[in-house]
Amino acid sequence: DAKTTQPPSMDCAEGRAANLPCNHSTISGNEYVYWYRQIHSQGPQYIIHGLKNNETNEMASLIITEDRKSSTLILPHATLRDTAVYYCIVRGHYKLSFGAGTTVTVRA
Amino acid sequence: ETGVTQTPRHLVMGMTNKKSLKCEQHLGHNAMYWYKQSAKKPLELMFVYNFKEQTENNSVPSRFSPECPNSSHLFLHLHTLQPEDSALYLCASSREIRPASGTYNEQFFGPGTRLTVL
Repeated sequence: DAKTTQPPSMDCAEGRAANLPCNHSTISGNEYVYWYRQIHSQGPQYIIHGLKNNETNEMASLIITEDRKSSTLILPHATLRDTAVYYCIVRGHYKLSFGAGTTVTVRA
Repeated sequence: ETGVTQTPRHLVMGMTNKKSLKCEQHLGHNAMYWYKQSAKKPLELMFVYNFKEQTENNSVPSRFSPECPNSSHLFLHLHTLQPEDSALYLCASSREIRPASGTYNEQFFGPGTRLTVL
C-alpha cells in the first residue's frame, strides 16, 4: 500500500469546518483513499472513502486532487465529539494499514 | 454501537494464566479480524478469517491462538503471555473478502478489550 503522510496534530474550533490533509504521492491507479477515526478508548470508525471523485456522506466530505497525490477530509461543522485520531489510509486490497494519524482536538 | 461486541472490556492476567477474548458480530458479515494496538504504536493486523477459514497470520507468536467457530464469532485464546503483550485488542468484521473482485469492504470495529499482563 502507498504510504501516507498526515500532520501529527491539529486544533479546530467548535462549529467551524475542520480540514484534514493527507499526502499520498505514491498512490497507484487502483488504490482507494479511506478515512477512519478513533475516539479515545474506542475502536476505529469508518468515515468515508473514494477513488477519484469527491465524495460526501452524512459524516464528512472527501476531496481528492486531480493527480490523486493528496486528499482532504472535511468535517463541515466540528463538534466536541469529533475529537479523535483521524487515519488516512491508501488501500489496494482487503487489509487496512493504520499509521500514526492526526490527533484532532475540537475546542469550545 | 457498531454491531460488533467484545468481551471482556478489561482483563488483567498473570503470565501463567490462560484466558480468552470473545468477539461477536451482528451484521451478517463473513470476514473477521483481530488487531493489536499497543501504546504509542499503530494498529497491527494479527489474524484474518474469511468464511471461518484463517487467511492471514501476521507472524503472531503461538501464545496467541485464534478460533472462528462460525462467521459471527471470533475468539482469541491467550496463554503464557508476556508483559509486552499488554495492549488494546480490537476485533473487526466486514463483508466477505473477494480479492478478485477488486472491491474492499469497510471494516466495523468493536470497542476492544484492554489487556494488562502482570
